[in-house]
Amino acid sequence: EAGVVQSPRYKIIEKKQPVAFWCNPISGHNTLYWYRQNLGQGPELLIRYENEEAVDDSQLPKDRFSAERLKGVDSTLKIQPAELGDSAVYLCASSRVYSGNTIYFGEGSWLTVV
Amino acid sequence: DQQVKQNSPSLSVQEGRISILNCDYTNSMFDYFLWYKKYPAEGPTFLISISSIKDKNEDGRFTVFLNKSAKHLSLHIVPSQPGDSAVYFCAASAGATNKLIFGTGTLLAVQP
Repeated sequence: EAGVVQSPRYKIIEKKQPVAFWCNPISGHNTLYWYRQNLGQGPELLIRYENEEAVDDSQLPKDRFSAERLKGVDSTLKIQPAELGDSAVYLCASSRVYSGNTIYFGEGSWLTVV
Repeated sequence: DQQVKQNSPSLSVQEGRISILNCDYTNSMFDYFLWYKKYPAEGPTFLISISSIKDKNEDGRFTVFLNKSAKHLSLHIVPSQPGDSAVYFCAASAGATNKLIFGTGTLLAVQP
């Protein structure tokens, strides 16, 4: 079974530029998550989808971040414009059912804003 | 407000000995706990989990213990191997949300 696939793996951009990350979850997983991990910290949830619906986006900085999950499968996370403080690893994850189940992570998209 | 705390940023253990990684939490509503392992430049990999209805769960060399009264869980690795060297994250969730709250991680170094 293929794991969670993310692209690009690495991205370096100048501040104020836009950037987008793509994620394809594990087949059959209806819940998709975007996490952000800063250096020396644990991952923090940005947004969670149940199928196409964003059921928890309370931690998503909506002034510059947006996400979508069309057709309830793959997802895109966008930052526009990027700031220096956005440098982090953006992790996509998926799980099969709504609660009490293991979340599986992709390898992450490493963003550096210069 | 750090709801999940891993107070030891690093741990060094000799190969073949036991590794004990600790995690404390403050939210009494947490009812599901997980440990993830992370190698450099990779995403976190699920290792083992435990529900709050249990106090112990084993999977091969890995055992997780949960002490609900102390709001404490620990991961035991026996015997430790050099390939276990990684950052270990403790995570917890409450109820039906499946929203994982992570600790800051403990870097385990297993010396040959």
